Amino acid sequence: EAGVVQSPRYKIIEKKQPVAFWCNPISGHNTLYWYLQNLGQGPELLIRYENEEAVDDSQLPKDRFSAERLKGVDSTLKIQPAELGDSAVYLCASSLGGTLSPLHFGNGTRLTVT
Amino acid sequence: AQSVTQLGSHVSVSEGALVLLRCNYSSSVPPYLFWYVQYPNQGLQLLLKYTSAATLVKGINGFEAEFKKSETSFHLTKPSAHMSDAAEYFCAVSDANFGNEKLTFGTGTRLTIIP
Repeated sequence: EAGVVQSPRYKIIEKKQPVAFWCNPISGHNTLYWYLQNLGQGPELLIRYENEEAVDDSQLPKDRFSAERLKGVDSTLKIQPAELGDSAVYLCASSLGGTLSPLHFGNGTRLTVT
Repeated sequence: AQSVTQLGSHVSVSEGALVLLRCNYSSSVPPYLFWYVQYPNQGLQLLLKYTSAATLVKGINGFEAEFKKSETSFHLTKPSAHMSDAAEYFCAVSDANFGNEKLTFGTGTRLTIIP
């Protein structure tokens, strides 16, 4: 089966510019996650979707971050405007759903804000 | 709140030697515990998980971990290291209410294998 696909792999932008990341989950996976991974740190959950509904966005900085999952498949994570501190790897993961379904991670998008 | 502490951000072992990566957890409820591996420029991959069944858990690539409640530990081991084991390893904790849906990761341990 095809894995979780993320694009772009790398993105370099200047501060105050907008940026968007795209994620295509494994076919049939209803649950989709966006994680933030700072350098030298473990991933931190930003948002979790069940189908098209954001069921946990408590850790998403809503002043500048937004996400959507139209039609319950692909998802986009946006930052506007980007700040220097947003430089990190943004990981997308998907699962079949439920508490014991394993997460399948994409390769991530590495964002550098200059 | 739950948390995990990984002791040692960098661990080096010789090829063929024992691998031991340490993880201690803190949880007010019975935990679920996980080990993930991240190869360079790749996403995370589940190695193994403990979900309140057997305390000795076997995973992929010859890794295993033992849940020790008295020590609040979930250390990862492999009897004989291979060059292909070089990667970053993350311990994570959750609980039965959330399982995989709300993982708290440690800061990771980078494993280097010496030829």
